[in-house]
Amino acid sequence: QVQLVQSGGGLVNPGGSLRLSCTASGFTFVHFYMVWIRQSPGKGLEWIAHISSTGKHIFYTDSLKGRITISRDNAENSVSLQMESLREDDTAVYYCVRGPMVGGVVENEALDFWGHGTVVSVTS
Amino acid sequence: QSVLTQPPSVSGAPGQRVTISCSGSNSNIGAGFSVHWYQQLPGTAPKLVLLDDTTRPSGVPGRFSASRSGTSASLAIAGLQAEDEADYYCQSYDMSLSGTYVFGTGTRVTVL
Repeated sequence: QVQLVQSGGGLVNPGGSLRLSCTASGFTFVHFYMVWIRQSPGKGLEWIAHISSTGKHIFYTDSLKGRITISRDNAENSVSLQMESLREDDTAVYYCVRGPMVGGVVENEALDFWGHGTVVSVTS
Repeated sequence: QSVLTQPPSVSGAPGQRVTISCSGSNSNIGAGFSVHWYQQLPGTAPKLVLLDDTTRPSGVPGRFSASRSGTSASLAIAGLQAEDEADYYCQSYDMSLSGTYVFGTGTRVTVL
């Protein structure tokens, strides 16, 4: 079965950095885009980045551009999110999500499998 | 930041039917992009319950259905059950925001 196991996260001071990782299993990783979504406390869901199957195409939400970097290692079936210059409003649960399948219509594909989420808490 | 608007809450007694609206614009739902729906039980990750406007993934009960019209979409839960109490989010794609996935504001469904 599809599994997305997340690691990283935790407590960090404002201005600090953090790297989130996600290891996938149960599907052919190289065939899928991967997505990061976050959910601030008591708030809704926010797409923050996604990466194509080869890593060639990367998209970021404008509000985080310049502070985050998404990458993937297809040999290790993993995707990562490097976050820099963290602020208190970056405090959230971050989800690793399976995105569209290669060959599908990226804009219309659902986000069908979600990791368990990892908590990032930015506080002094 | 949400560009899709949902009512904050809906409620119903067990067995009743509730609907959740998702209002967008001509750059997302109105542009023809698919709408998907996610259920988030307390303390858990969202789970896809409807995709491609009206399709239920395997294992999702038939009491969940969805529709769309113009710049809006809606999710209906018929025969409401206690286990349906959760937050529900619609999601689509928006071509006006550098091409991004967009979510609704979320609706809390309460079973009375």
